Amino acid sequence: DGGITQSPKYLFRKEGQNVTLSCEQNLNHDAMYWYRQDPGQGLRLIYYSQIVNDFQKGDIAEGYSVSREKKESFPLTVTSAQKNPTAFYLCASGRDRVSGANVLTFGAGSRLTVL
Amino acid sequence: GQQLNQSPQSMFIQEGEDVSMNCTSSSIFNTWLWYKQEPGEGPVLLIALYKAGELTSNGRLTAQFGITRKDSFLNISASIPSDVGIYFCAGRDYSGAGSYQLTFGKGTKLSVI
Repeated sequence: DGGITQSPKYLFRKEGQNVTLSCEQNLNHDAMYWYRQDPGQGLRLIYYSQIVNDFQKGDIAEGYSVSREKKESFPLTVTSAQKNPTAFYLCASGRDRVSGANVLTFGAGSRLTVL
Repeated sequence: GQQLNQSPQSMFIQEGEDVSMNCTSSSIFNTWLWYKQEPGEGPVLLIALYKAGELTSNGRLTAQFGITRKDSFLNISASIPSDVGIYFCAGRDYSGAGSYQLTFGKGTKLSVI
């Protein structure tokens, strides 16, 4: 079955450490996204990529970095510069960003906790 | 970015009751989406709406794209325990440079008692 796989499901980090969250999709989607979710909040866009080797900052990109070396993969690194990294992180993909009819498919999420 | 006002923030209902929630925006959207998220999981698409006035059903769920293109509502009939979760609306509009932007509401948390 096609879908999006995020790993790890749970991750604990010490302050000052960088961590990388994995996101892999086999839906053959061009566009991929990273969202952050905090309790009682909507989804906030961190980064998105419309095509391999290209990505754009979203609304809250500070303290995060991404890469898009393969169509299937869009890893997110939470750096030590992110002052409040404890959150639930969601990866999504869509057919493309150009179509107004595009819908997103989400992964199951990764919960990051800073100790 | 755009702002979506989703209400209510939370609901406590008895099994069998009907549920209604809505989203409003200050700007026009060309697509409305409704997602459901269960605890510890990612959102799952319930209904997608693409035309003003469109009314679409998915089982016990019905959603409508408002005529003004600035609002949408979701109804759930005869709620059951597995309806528990957080329901998100999302609106899509043209953000320029040939691409579209998706904005999410803050969610309606549904609890069935």
